[in-house]
Amino acid sequence: GESVGLHLPTLSVQEGDNSIINCAYSNSASDYFIWYKQESGKGPQFIIDIRSNMDKRQGQRVTVLLNKTVKHLSLQIAATQPGDSAVYFCAENFRPDTGRRALTFGSGTRLQVQP
Amino acid sequence: DADVTQTPRNRITKTGKRIMLECSQTKGHDRMYWYRQDPGLGLRLIYYSFDVKDINKGEISDGYSVSRQAQAKFSLSLESAIPNQTALYFCATSETATGELFFGEGSRLTVL
Repeated sequence: GESVGLHLPTLSVQEGDNSIINCAYSNSASDYFIWYKQESGKGPQFIIDIRSNMDKRQGQRVTVLLNKTVKHLSLQIAATQPGDSAVYFCAENFRPDTGRRALTFGSGTRLQVQP
Repeated sequence: DADVTQTPRNRITKTGKRIMLECSQTKGHDRMYWYRQDPGLGLRLIYYSFDVKDINKGEISDGYSVSRQAQAKFSLSLESAIPNQTALYFCATSETATGELFFGEGSRLTVL
């Protein structure tokens, strides 16, 4: 099974509302996490990252929260816009089978912004 | 021009054929990766390379091989393609093992 997963496969929000995308990870040895956005027909693009020595990190309209106690990661998007419609992936940087660090991705959440 | 370039962008082939997907980068990164994307399964790591002499298997390496010809080039081969290898393939690079990945635009492979 996957070590990184998401609670909701599709999230539909109204334009202007805040969006919250959740992610659960299973490996306590992971110390770095990234959120990526993938628009249709394109490769994933970096949104924001967070290291395990932090609980929260803010970017432009985005905030990532990390709860190491329950191994949970969330991406909050403020004032969601139509251009935010995409698939969002979380990733962690531990490879449990080899011990070598490389990013492992979850299955993704599709965010649909309704006008 | 894109920092990470994949060729071909689209390819249709038949079962049993040998296929090579190529990736080149201008970012100067040592670390390069090949991921496969299937609907509902996200991105799964096939192979990764931390330098030209360091090749590592990922989650789903069976049926694939790679070659790191130079720091800037990392190719993925399917020696005998099968239909369940139909997918979107992404090459990526990173500066460090724990840093941001920079992705190419993807190569869509269809095996009939």
